[in-house]
Amino acid sequence: EAQVTQNPRYLITVTGKKLTVTCSQNMNHEYMSWYRQDPGLGLRQIYYSMNVEVTDKGDVPEGYKVSRKEKRNFPLILESPSPNQTSLYFCASSTAGAFREQYFGPGTRLTVT
Amino acid sequence: DAKTTQPTSMDCAEGRAANLPCNHSTISGNEYVYWYRQIHSQGPQYIIHGLKNNETNEMASLIITEDRKSSTLILPHATLRDTAVYYCIVRVAGTGNQFYFGTGTSLTVIP
Repeated sequence: EAQVTQNPRYLITVTGKKLTVTCSQNMNHEYMSWYRQDPGLGLRQIYYSMNVEVTDKGDVPEGYKVSRKEKRNFPLILESPSPNQTSLYFCASSTAGAFREQYFGPGTRLTVT
Repeated sequence: DAKTTQPTSMDCAEGRAANLPCNHSTISGNEYVYWYRQIHSQGPQYIIHGLKNNETNEMASLIITEDRKSSTLILPHATLRDTAVYYCIVRVAGTGNQFYFGTGTSLTVIP
């Protein structure tokens, strides 16, 4: 089954404790992206990647890192999480060619206390 | 990429057509119009996209005005399962890979 998976689905952590949210897709997609969703602000793009070893900033990259060492994986790293990074996070992927539809993962709900 | 303006919320009676408007007055000639929807807190789901011509698929129809400054997503026979937030996005195909979703329109289908 074609899908985008994210782990963990739910995470409660404390300020400053490094964490990684994994994202994996099995569709051989070149393009992958991370979004965060907050009430009243909609979905905002954090980082995206056009292909292996190619990443770029979205609208709200501060406080996040990403890497794209393999085509299927695109982890989101929070080196020192803060409470303002409490949010619902989505990973997405698509084929190359920006008019292609994006497939979204189920989301990761992160709480930083 | 051009930004979009959508109404915050809309209601539609079950079985009737739902018409969701989107304003993109600063759209440029090579920017496509995309529609996604998000049911509750699930990941967004692609619906349809178009450049100039009207488009139809199994989910919906997309009507783009001749000047391309606005568009309408039509769900021909809305069901309760169509209750969701609908996002209208414009972006350039092949370049400008940022995706700006905005806050969308919350559609409630009423029994």
